[in-house]
Amino acid sequence: KNEVEQSPQNLTAQEGEFITINCSYSVGISALHWLQQHPGGGIVSLFMLSSGKKKHGRLIATINIQEKHSSLHITASHPRDSAVYICAVRSLGDKLIFGTGTRLQVFP
Amino acid sequence: KAGVTQTPRYLIKTRGQQVTLSCSPISGHRSVSWYQQTPGQGLQFLFEYFSETQRNKGNFPGRFSGRQFSNSRSEMNVSTLELGDSALYLCASSKSVFQETQYFGPGTRLLVL
Repeated sequence: KNEVEQSPQNLTAQEGEFITINCSYSVGISALHWLQQHPGGGIVSLFMLSSGKKKHGRLIATINIQEKHSSLHITASHPRDSAVYICAVRSLGDKLIFGTGTRLQVFP
Repeated sequence: KAGVTQTPRYLIKTRGQQVTLSCSPISGHRSVSWYQQTPGQGLQFLFEYFSETQRNKGNFPGRFSGRQFSNSRSEMNVSTLELGDSALYLCASSKSVFQETQYFGPGTRLLVL
């Protein structure tokens, strides 16, 4: 079993829909990251969380440390949001462990 | 402010050869991490450097090595290349190592024939 699990693996949506991507982890962590990777490989760091909730534009990330779970929400989705979203945790052993990613496609 | 740069962007090598990849972090960033991304294994952590010291290493064989220079630039080296080393190698920099946002470079795509 992977230490970081994401669901769903693939997600399709119509423009304007509300999207949720989930991340569960089984190790103790000091921080959790949400990353976005567009076709071609470039990775952008969206959020780094150690507790609570963060918001940036149409993106919201939450984390529940007790339940070892985080969610990434996209409100009013747009085709330019189409990308792979990756959850990564920094373990207490100070290593970055990645989920396998969620491939999101938003259609006009 | 210039972003993280990686050179070369693309590389083709044959089995048994060695390769050196370079990463220049954002100015003022002292931490550099390296990652390997393959279709089968996804993203995996290789190493992390801070102020010329390797702080952390992932579960890769000793053929994978790296270093960081006094100007924070970093190199990674893979010796005796294998077909399975074909991957996108990404580096990321941050100001420090503790709970900092990382900024990723565009990656070096290595193909081993």
